[in-house]
Amino acid sequence: QKEVEQDPGPLSVPEGAIVSLNCTYSNSAFQYFMWYRQYSRKGPELLMYTYSSGNKEDGRFTAQVDKSSKYISLFIRDSQPSDSATYLCAMSDGSGYSTLTFGKGTMLLVSP
Amino acid sequence: NAGVTQTPKFQVLKTGQSMTLQCAQDMNHNSMYWYRQDPGMGLRLIYYSASEGTTDKGEVPNGYNVSRLNKREFSLRLESAAPSQTSVYFCASSLHRDSNQPQHFGDGTRLSIL
Repeated sequence: QKEVEQDPGPLSVPEGAIVSLNCTYSNSAFQYFMWYRQYSRKGPELLMYTYSSGNKEDGRFTAQVDKSSKYISLFIRDSQPSDSATYLCAMSDGSGYSTLTFGKGTMLLVSP
Repeated sequence: NAGVTQTPKFQVLKTGQSMTLQCAQDMNHNSMYWYRQDPGMGLRLIYYSASEGTTDKGEVPNGYNVSRLNKREFSLRLESAAPSQTSVYFCASSLHRDSNQPQHFGDGTRLSIL
C-alpha cells in the first residue's frame, strides 16, 4: 500500500462547478497537510497548508482534514478555466527526521 | 521576487555525458531539495541538504551527486547520464529541515538523455 494515494484523473468539470479533490494516507503520524497546484510546464506552488484535523478556507478554496479516516480534501468553489492544473497533496509528521510525502497528483480540467 | 531559480530550463544529452543542474534560492532558506518527476511516478526525492555543509540521500539517489555550494545554491550532477534519467528535475527550498515546513519549487529542468 502506497503511503499516499491520489486519483490521477483527469477530472473534467464545467466552469462554475464545485470540485472535490482527495487524498488518502496510511501513516497515522502525519499531521501537516499541504496542497500544491502545478500548471503545465511549471513547478508546484503551495496552495493550502493545514495542521491536524479541521477545515481551512482561503477564497474559493477549502482544505479539509479528517485524521480519523486518514482522508484529506481540497474543495474549489465556482471553478474557473484558470484552475485547470494538476493538484498534488503533500503531508508530513512534522519531525526533523522525515521529509514531505507527496501524492502523485490529480489533473483537473475546467471547461468554459 | 525570483524565489527558486533553476538553470538550464531544457537540456538534451547523449548517454554517458555529464551534466550539472544549477539551483539558487533568494529566500534565505536553510534547506534545499532535488526531486525528479516522471509520468505516473509523482515527485521523488533524490537528495536534500538540511543546511549549508550537509547533504543526505533521498528515495532515488543512485546515479546522482549533489553539492551545497553555499546557503543559496544547491547543484545536482549526473556523472554519466543514462536514458533512465530522462525526467523533469525540480529544485525546492524550505526555511528549515523540519518536515512541517512547506517547500517552494523552481520551474524545473527538462532533461532528455538519448
